[in-house]
Amino acid sequence: DQQVKQNSPSLSVQEGRISILNCDYTNSMFDYFLWYKKYPAEGPTFLISISSIKDKNEDGRFTVFLNKSAKHLSLHIVPSQPGDSAVYFCAGEKTSYDKVIFGPGTSLSVIP
Amino acid sequence: DVKVTQSSRYLVKRTGEKVFLECVQDMDHENMFWYRQDPGLGLRLIYFSYDVKMKEKGDIPEGYSVSREKKERFSLILESASTNQTSMYLCASRGNSIGQYFGPGTRLTVT
Repeated sequence: DQQVKQNSPSLSVQEGRISILNCDYTNSMFDYFLWYKKYPAEGPTFLISISSIKDKNEDGRFTVFLNKSAKHLSLHIVPSQPGDSAVYFCAGEKTSYDKVIFGPGTSLSVIP
Repeated sequence: DVKVTQSSRYLVKRTGEKVFLECVQDMDHENMFWYRQDPGLGLRLIYFSYDVKMKEKGDIPEGYSVSREKKERFSLILESASTNQTSMYLCASRGNSIGQYFGPGTRLTVT
């Protein structure tokens, strides 16, 4: 049972345009949702999070939107840069368990 | 900066061998985790530990064990390596704030 889903394995975007990465979840008990970015041959790095009681969180070029009724969140990157090319993992966390459930990832390519 | 280091970047072992993967973090974090990453499956939690000598099974603990004798060190043990354990292994730690800090990963190949 995949509790966190990322239905697009890959995405290509032109430099300067908006990248939108989508994530769906089934577990309503998550307290936080997180996005991680992973370059090849490196470990994931934490990018941005959103509390389950919020609907938007913004950090520079990165904005995460949460739609609880639809159990859907999205990461917007504006403007996209070639250095943003990486695999992005969506994750849900229930803090009382200290466990994080990761999605399968979406590979983003930003074309110069 | 938090630093999480893993003992090897690449490892090749034979079926049946005992394999030790070591992870060390330098930020005095209570929580440490071991994941494996496989294409199309994302990161799957093998074991985690929230204190010295404490361990909890994750989602796929079969074939693995762990050891946490010191706060900064969390070891993953494959008692008898099998080919289906060929994977990228990632260690992570977490303090009181949101977000885990990952090591660079160990690419393990079992032949």
